[in-house]
Amino acid sequence: DAGITQSPRHKVTETGTPVTLRCHQTENHRYMYWYRQDPGHGLRLIHYSYGVKDTDKGEVSDGYSVSRSKTEDFLLTLESATSSQTSVYFCAISGVQGGEQYFGPGTRLTVT
Amino acid sequence: GQQLNQSPQSMFIQEGEDVSMNCTSSSIFNTWLWYKQEPGEGPVLLIALYKAGELTSNGRLTAQFGITRKDSFLNISASIPSDVGIYFCAGQLVQGAQKLVFGQGTRLTINP
Repeated sequence: DAGITQSPRHKVTETGTPVTLRCHQTENHRYMYWYRQDPGHGLRLIHYSYGVKDTDKGEVSDGYSVSRSKTEDFLLTLESATSSQTSVYFCAISGVQGGEQYFGPGTRLTVT
Repeated sequence: GQQLNQSPQSMFIQEGEDVSMNCTSSSIFNTWLWYKQEPGEGPVLLIALYKAGELTSNGRLTAQFGITRKDSFLNISASIPSDVGIYFCAGQLVQGAQKLVFGQGTRLTINP
């Protein structure tokens, strides 16, 4: 199994509060991704990183920001959580541009 | 955004039956990947395909990269209860693209 951990695994928060999710890898892979998964929508890319301090937006980036200050860590921040951001969030890593991605166990976030 | 059409959306089969699912697109893909996701877990990579016409097996699973580069299929032979889950296809749209496009998933249910 790829060495990817996500924390926390579950979180309940209130509307309007900031939330940060963490993805940590031990594989030294260059590429890291954040997805959200919702019924009827499949996996949708939020943001991705192609190196330390190098990030770009995915298809559903509004309301989210990311940071990558070290190769091993990729943080996803919801500046002011909304109920529409209730979802399961997955981090993925890849050593190859556009190639095989390996997923973490996910974080289930509920915004009340 | 770019969509992959994955079918069927769900399958209900008897244990021991063979399973076939596919993904199609109007665009040409450079790479095809097949994942399986079980409840409460992240997607797990099953098979990766990199060349048009390539046929690759992983145990009872066989996947092919279509000759036109616009489709791929996954077959599971002699299904067993642990095959239950959601199967996703994913593809790299163009060479050099940093992102993958995902299908909506096929939910497989097996009656013992």
